[in-house]
Amino acid sequence: SAVISQKPSRDICQRGTSLTIQCQVDSQVTMMFWYRQQPGQSLTLIATANQGSEATYESGFVIDKFPISRPNLTFSTLTVSNMSPEDSSIYLCSVGWVGDTEAFFGQGTRLTVV
Amino acid sequence: KNEVEQSPQNLTAQEGEFITINCSYSVGISALHWLQQHPGGGIVSLFMLSSGKKKHGRLIATINIQEKHSSLHITASHPRDSAVYICAVRSPGAQKLVFGQGTRLTINP
Repeated sequence: SAVISQKPSRDICQRGTSLTIQCQVDSQVTMMFWYRQQPGQSLTLIATANQGSEATYESGFVIDKFPISRPNLTFSTLTVSNMSPEDSSIYLCSVGWVGDTEAFFGQGTRLTVV
Repeated sequence: KNEVEQSPQNLTAQEGEFITINCSYSVGISALHWLQQHPGGGIVSLFMLSSGKKKHGRLIATINIQEKHSSLHITASHPRDSAVYICAVRSPGAQKLVFGQGTRLTINP
């Protein structure tokens, strides 16, 4: 199993600024994912965070807007850059291992951009 | 058409009622997950299924691979069960999950 600490839990930010969200896991994991959940919508995968290399982004998401770091097997950050009100969402990190394993999620970061 | 469809989208019931949430998917899968999301946003994994049926407390999850359908049942529902329930599937060889749109469940006392 895995216990995930995601910070901050919520923030209100000014447009044009950036916010970095942290995801810390209590054990080494193979896979780390970042999701966005827009109001009233389901989860959309932003990218897979790869240890020691560039993240793998899904269609519609780019590194300049959502830079991701993963320096080791227990930690990752997602930055939401140059924010606009359209970026107001819940952002969640999720971890797992290769193959069919249970999915573990952080508590989410509720971001409001004003 | 989404790869994963849930029904109903919203469900309101009285405490004690038997609840069923359905999930249909259109792709081959290696596993199906049922997740619970509370108003704060955090998500908890309830079940991971590849066949048959699983039970945990008052929650029961079933899957029919041939029909590409899964159900989540809650017996003796309670207001604390109020949450969004999300079905998600993983295709063979893939690592990412594909999510349904969620079912918002409200249990009134």
